[in-house]
Amino acid sequence: DAEITQSPRHKITETGRQVTLACHQTWNHNNMFWYRQDLGHGLRLIHYSYGVQDTNKGEVSDGYSVSRSNTEDLPLTLESAASSQTSVYFCASSESKWGSGQYFGPGTRLTVT
Amino acid sequence: DQQVKQNSPSLSVQEGRISILNCDYTNSMFDYFLWYKKYPAEGPTFLISISSIKDKNEDGRFTVFLNKSAKHLSLHIVPSQPGDSAVYFCAGGEGSNYKLTFGKGTLLTVNP
Repeated sequence: DAEITQSPRHKITETGRQVTLACHQTWNHNNMFWYRQDLGHGLRLIHYSYGVQDTNKGEVSDGYSVSRSNTEDLPLTLESAASSQTSVYFCASSESKWGSGQYFGPGTRLTVT
Repeated sequence: DQQVKQNSPSLSVQEGRISILNCDYTNSMFDYFLWYKKYPAEGPTFLISISSIKDKNEDGRFTVFLNKSAKHLSLHIVPSQPGDSAVYFCAGGEGSNYKLTFGKGTLLTVNP
């Protein structure tokens, strides 16, 4: 069955370190998205991609970057982790079809100490 | 600017009764809406959607109503079951840009 996976599921890192969160989907979807979920804020879009070599900033992109070298993967990098980036991160993918819902991964809980 | 608002952070109902979750939006360019359900330590899962040209969509126990003039939609769950206890997110989508804008979510608790 097609799926979307994230790794690691839990990560503790120190302030200032570079961290990369992995996202892999086997749906063969063109579109991929990264969100963070924080209490009182719901799901906020960090970055998104509509295909290989395409990346776009979302509403909370500062301090994060993504790259898309193939259809299946969209890794999220925190260049220099900050305590404000402690959050739960979700990756999602969708078809390029009007009204298409997004399929979410199980999430990565990141703690920056 | 919050384009999708879920003004009730939480809702508690008795098993067997109706649950009504509300959502308001400000972006008149949204042309479809979706509801997602999220259990703790899991990713959100798609529940039901509605196109802006419709006013109702039904799927089993779940019905979504859309009032475009009021920029308001609601999710009705009848009858509510304890397994429905979760956070529910409302989201709006615009044209073919495939992005979704989510509300902050409502925690539904269904008591046995």
